[in-house]
Amino acid sequence: EAGVAQSPRYKIIEKRQSVAFWCNPISGHATLYWYQQILGQGPKLLIQFQNNGVVDDSQLPKDRFSAERLKGVDSTLKIQPAKLEDSAVYLCASSLIGWRETQYFGPGTRLLVL
Amino acid sequence: AQSVTQLDSQVPVFEEAPVELRCNYSSSVSVYLFWYVQYPNQGLQLLLKYLSGSTLVESINGFEAEFNKSQTSFHLRKPSVHISDTAEYFCAVSRSGSARQLTFGSGTQLTVLP
Repeated sequence: EAGVAQSPRYKIIEKRQSVAFWCNPISGHATLYWYQQILGQGPKLLIQFQNNGVVDDSQLPKDRFSAERLKGVDSTLKIQPAKLEDSAVYLCASSLIGWRETQYFGPGTRLLVL
Repeated sequence: AQSVTQLDSQVPVFEEAPVELRCNYSSSVSVYLFWYVQYPNQGLQLLLKYLSGSTLVESINGFEAEFNKSQTSFHLRKPSVHISDTAEYFCAVSRSGSARQLTFGSGTQLTVLP
């Protein structure tokens, strides 16, 4: 079974530029999550989708971050414009529906904002 | 809201020695508890979890953790570590009834020395 796929793996941009990350979850997983992991910290949930609807985006900085999952499968997370403090690893995870279901994580996209 | 504290950011240990990685949590409601592991250049993987039942849970590679409600702890232990156990370990918590809303600790880097 293929795991969660993310691209690109690495990205370097200058502040005020825009950037987009892509995630393809495990086949059949209706729930998809985006996390931000700043160096030295644990992952922090940014947004959770169930199918193509948003379940929780309370910690998403909506003035500059946006995410979509139009067809309920893959998802895109965008930052526009980027700030220095956005330098982090962006993790995508997916799970089946159900409160006992395990989240499976992708390898992440490492973003450096200069 | 829940929070997780991993007091040790770095734990060096010699091969075949025992190890304990500490995790304490705070929550006003019942919780589920998790340990995730992140090997170099790989995504987070679930190591073990406590949802209900026996307070002692085990992983397939020899780790175990015990849920201690009175001490609000979920420490991870292994009686004899291997070089291949070198990784970063994250403790996470979610409120009961929802294994999807994970709050992570800041992680503990376990380095096994020959």
